[in-house]
Amino acid sequence: AQKVTQAQTEISVVEKEDVTLDCVYETRDTTYYLFWYKQPPSGELVFLIRRNSFDEQNEISGRYSWNFQKSTSSFNFTITASQVVDSAVYFCALTTNRDDKIIFGKGTRLHILP
Amino acid sequence: NAGVTQTPKFRILKIGQSMTLQCAQDMNHNYMYWYRQDPGMGLKLIYYSVGAGITDKGEVPNGYNVSRSTTEDFPLRLELAAPSQTSVYFCASSLGQGAGYHEKLFFGSGTQLSVL
Repeated sequence: AQKVTQAQTEISVVEKEDVTLDCVYETRDTTYYLFWYKQPPSGELVFLIRRNSFDEQNEISGRYSWNFQKSTSSFNFTITASQVVDSAVYFCALTTNRDDKIIFGKGTRLHILP
Repeated sequence: NAGVTQTPKFRILKIGQSMTLQCAQDMNHNYMYWYRQDPGMGLKLIYYSVGAGITDKGEVPNGYNVSRSTTEDFPLRLELAAPSQTSVYFCASSLGQGAGYHEKLFFGSGTQLSVL
């Protein structure tokens, strides 16, 4: 069965600091998909990135970057020069090509302090 | 383009009452999902469907039922509401292209349910 672990329950950083959110996953399948979603205080869920297991390239999108390492089963998310608007709960999620369930981690609540 | 529409947005139920949470998508997505999010917690999968007529249990299916008679609609039924079902419920859909190929989820805005 799949499992997603986000060990950091809550993180607080001062604005403009860099912060990394950890995501460790477990699956026996070789083809799988990883996702990150953001849930701001308003409550909606916003898609950030999707990565399949065959694409280990790191991704950068503005101040956001993702580091995918199959060797450590990790898909970590870094925010550079954080801003107050980045304050949210961030979820990592996993599904595989043999199981259509999409399983979420418990989320990391990020506070960016002005 | 409405995306994923959930109704109602808020509901208060008494213990033992029943209700149906509605979810509809207009993107012709095959895959649909129901999640619950307890206060301060993550998303737990209740039920999911990979197409009309096909449903399957998720991580926490007890106390719920679903049906998928059309591609567009995926209602979630609570038969005998209990306080433990107090939660925010999210419906989501994605363009499943078969053979286990998964795209991103599109989420509804959620239904906040309180059972008293």
